[in-house]
Amino acid sequence: KAGVTQTPRYLIKTRGQQVTLSCSPISGHRSVSWYQQTPGQGLQFLFEYFSETQRNKGNFPGRFSGRQFSNSRSEMNVSTLELGDSALYLCASSLKTDSGANVLTFGAGSRLTVL
Amino acid sequence: AQSVTQLDSHVSVSEGTPVLLRCNYSSSYSPSLFWYVQHPNKGLQLLLKYTSAATLVKGINGFEAEFKKSETSFHLTKPSAHMSDAAEYFCVVSDHDGGSQGNLIFGKGTKLSVKP
Repeated sequence: KAGVTQTPRYLIKTRGQQVTLSCSPISGHRSVSWYQQTPGQGLQFLFEYFSETQRNKGNFPGRFSGRQFSNSRSEMNVSTLELGDSALYLCASSLKTDSGANVLTFGAGSRLTVL
Repeated sequence: AQSVTQLDSHVSVSEGTPVLLRCNYSSSYSPSLFWYVQHPNKGLQLLLKYTSAATLVKGINGFEAEFKKSETSFHLTKPSAHMSDAAEYFCVVSDHDGGSQGNLIFGKGTKLSVKP
């Protein structure tokens, strides 16, 4: 079955602009999480959505927002871009296993460069 | 609060020799622990997970990890490295069993280099 699909894969923006990234989870997965990956900070949790509701949020400013649609597809938006927002943004979907462990399946990421 | 420490930022081995990537965790609860691998310009792929069942966990591509509660460790090993193992490896802890399932804590990563 198809994996997690993220679009676009690469994009370049300038400071002050805004960007929207899209994520299509694995069919049947209702939870979608977003992570930011940078060389300095590593992988940091942004937020998680389940059934169109944000269930958890990381420690990022309000410029970072997201949403989930009824078909479980998710988007994240970053407004008023700053140079430090340059990163690989990873989306992951999950299906809770019987053991309770929450295994995430990641997409290939969207690499954002802010100039 | 939970945290995870990967003790080596970079490990270099020769092809055919054993691999050891070290990870220590801190958790207030009974943790779930994972190892993920990331190849260049790719997303993360799950190698294996520990969820309070067997302490020795076998994963894909010949990797395994042993959960040692007394040492709060979850080191990743492989008996014989292959060139295709060159990648970055992340140790991950989650304290949440159900409920919020996206709030994983990632280690800083260990880059594995494999020399021919």
